[in-house]
Amino acid sequence: AQRVTQPEKLLSVFKGAPVELKCNYSYSGSPELFWYVQYSRQRLQLLLRHISRESIKGFTADLNKGETSFHLKKPFAQEEDSAMYYCAPSDTGRRALTFGSGTRLQVQP
Amino acid sequence: GAGVSQSPSNKVTEKGKDVELRCDPISGHTALYWYRQSLGQGLEFLIYFQGNSAPDKSGLPSDRFSAERTGGSVSTLTIQRTQQEDSAVYLCASSLLTGSSYNEQFFGPGTRLTVL
Repeated sequence: AQRVTQPEKLLSVFKGAPVELKCNYSYSGSPELFWYVQYSRQRLQLLLRHISRESIKGFTADLNKGETSFHLKKPFAQEEDSAMYYCAPSDTGRRALTFGSGTRLQVQP
Repeated sequence: GAGVSQSPSNKVTEKGKDVELRCDPISGHTALYWYRQSLGQGLEFLIYFQGNSAPDKSGLPSDRFSAERTGGSVSTLTIQRTQQEDSAVYLCASSLLTGSSYNEQFFGPGTRLTVL
């Protein structure tokens, strides 16, 4: 069965500190991997996807197939990064997302 | 243009009543998804519509749940004989599927359902 693990429910850091939000997945086939973010009182939205190898708002995520991990990183956290972050592999067939339980990132001033 | 819209934004109902939740996807998006966000359960997939294909209902938790999508656009999620454990935020998302592997889903604001 497909499974996504985000081990940290809450991650609290100070502004300017590095951030790493962990994600491990157990999936059949070769899923597409995404990070979605939900800021306070806003909709869930796409942050980045592994196929594009892009950096969005200073965040990057590297897919490690050997470790089946897709950790989200940012070298210097900002207060506006405070939000709920979800790791989400997508089934390449139906393309529905399987969400992790989410990690709440709190960036303190 | 307008994003995904959902109505109502909040719904309070009594146990045993039926409810209907509506989703208006982004115009032209062929794929539509329903998810549920429960306290302590996270986000879970419910059902997926793609064009005229038969929907993928594999995520529906019981036969009290059903959904339809009329004319390839608006979708309605119906919950019959609601139970307290149905209380959750129900999210709708749509995407424009192409031959590429890119599949950004655009989410609506959700409907918060409370079953008393």
